[in-house]
Amino acid sequence: DAGVIQSPRHEVTEMGQEVTLRCKPISGHDYLFWYRQTMMRGLELLIYFNNNVPIDDSGMPEDRFSAKMPNASFSTLKIQPSEPRDSAVYFCASSPRSRGYGYTFGSGTRLTVV
Amino acid sequence: QQQVKQSPQSLIVQKGGISIINCAYENTAFDYFPWYQQFPGKGPALLIAIRPDVSEKKEGRFTISFNKSAKQFSLHIMDSQPGDSATYFCAATYSGGGNKLTFGTGTQLKVEL
Repeated sequence: DAGVIQSPRHEVTEMGQEVTLRCKPISGHDYLFWYRQTMMRGLELLIYFNNNVPIDDSGMPEDRFSAKMPNASFSTLKIQPSEPRDSAVYFCASSPRSRGYGYTFGSGTRLTVV
Repeated sequence: QQQVKQSPQSLIVQKGGISIINCAYENTAFDYFPWYQQFPGKGPALLIAIRPDVSEKKEGRFTISFNKSAKQFSLHIMDSQPGDSATYFCAATYSGGGNKLTFGTGTQLKVEL
């Protein structure tokens, strides 16, 4: 398996534009997580899905953020409109049902909003 | 209650020395404690994990020590090497928590020659 695949690796956009981040989890994993990482706040859980259903979106900072998982092999995180404070590295991770295997993280998308 | 407190924020160790990173938690429902290692430009990767029914787990040069009564656990890296230079995160989760991990704030480890 190629692991968790995120795209794009880097995204630079202007304030006010819509940004869409993409994630392909590991096949067979039941859970998918979106995290945001910044120096100030560390790793923040934004939302997670179980079997494509959103379970907890309490970490989504504002209505400008939305996430979907239309099928078991694809998820998106959308920011509309984007703001400079959204600049961060966004990680997608997936895990099987058993907690003993931990998460597998993607390589992240570095978002810069100017 | 859901927080995991991690210290120190940064750590410099000489090659061959022992690196020690500490974490503390409040939620007694936590029952699985993994550590993650993150290199620059990469996502965190699972390093080692422990359940509270054991006090220590060792994998190569990496050891987790767990103190259930104190609600603390720590990562020890023996014979630290420059290649161990990375950011380390402790984490915790509990059954019924939907596989959701609560992460510590991270420790930047630098191993100097």
